[in-house]
Amino acid sequence: QKEVEQNSGPLSVPEGAIASLNCTYSDRVSQSFFWYRQYSGKSPELIMSIYSNGDKEDGRFTAQLNKASQYVSLLIRDSQPSDSATYLCAVNPSGGGSEKLVFGKGTKLTVNP
Amino acid sequence: DVKVTQSSRYLVKRTGEKVFLECVQDMDHENMFWYRQDPGLGLRLIYFSYDVKMKEKGDIPEGYSVSREKKERFSLILESASTNQTSMYLCASSSRDGRGPQHFGDGTRLSIL
Repeated sequence: QKEVEQNSGPLSVPEGAIASLNCTYSDRVSQSFFWYRQYSGKSPELIMSIYSNGDKEDGRFTAQLNKASQYVSLLIRDSQPSDSATYLCAVNPSGGGSEKLVFGKGTKLTVNP
Repeated sequence: DVKVTQSSRYLVKRTGEKVFLECVQDMDHENMFWYRQDPGLGLRLIYFSYDVKMKEKGDIPEGYSVSREKKERFSLILESASTNQTSMYLCASSSRDGRGPQHFGDGTRLSIL
């Protein structure tokens, strides 16, 4: 059973701080990794994709991938109250040959003004 | 931008009814998915389709069926609705190569009374 584990929440940070969200996965040959943001009562929205080891930055968001450690993280710099949401980590297992994604259960982030 | 459209945002039905949830995507994606999402259980895959008229069971197919007669449209059918099928239903699509992300519709919050 391929698994994706996210750090248990909820996570609470003050406005302006860095929020760090972590995710580990069990399938060593996984090739594609995604972070989704989901506001309460809404559907998941893709915010980051990462395919290679290292960092990928997009505005205040940085995704970090370490395939050797089977670890992917999302950093949110200068956190804002509007970042308060549940963040889902998703992994395409089996070397990218699967149509399906495996999702973590999410980490709920609250940014306090 | 990818657009995945679900036919209803909110739906209320009675037990025993046959319920149809419709999903349409405009990006010519081969893969389409139906999930349900319940508090504490995360996203659970019901069915997915990788081509017209092709379907595969996900993790929780019992009580559901699907139809994909056209590439852009994927329907979820509750054969005889029960109260334990009250949930948020999410449709998603992705391209054939499987490396890319899934894009979600806005979701249908279904209540079975």
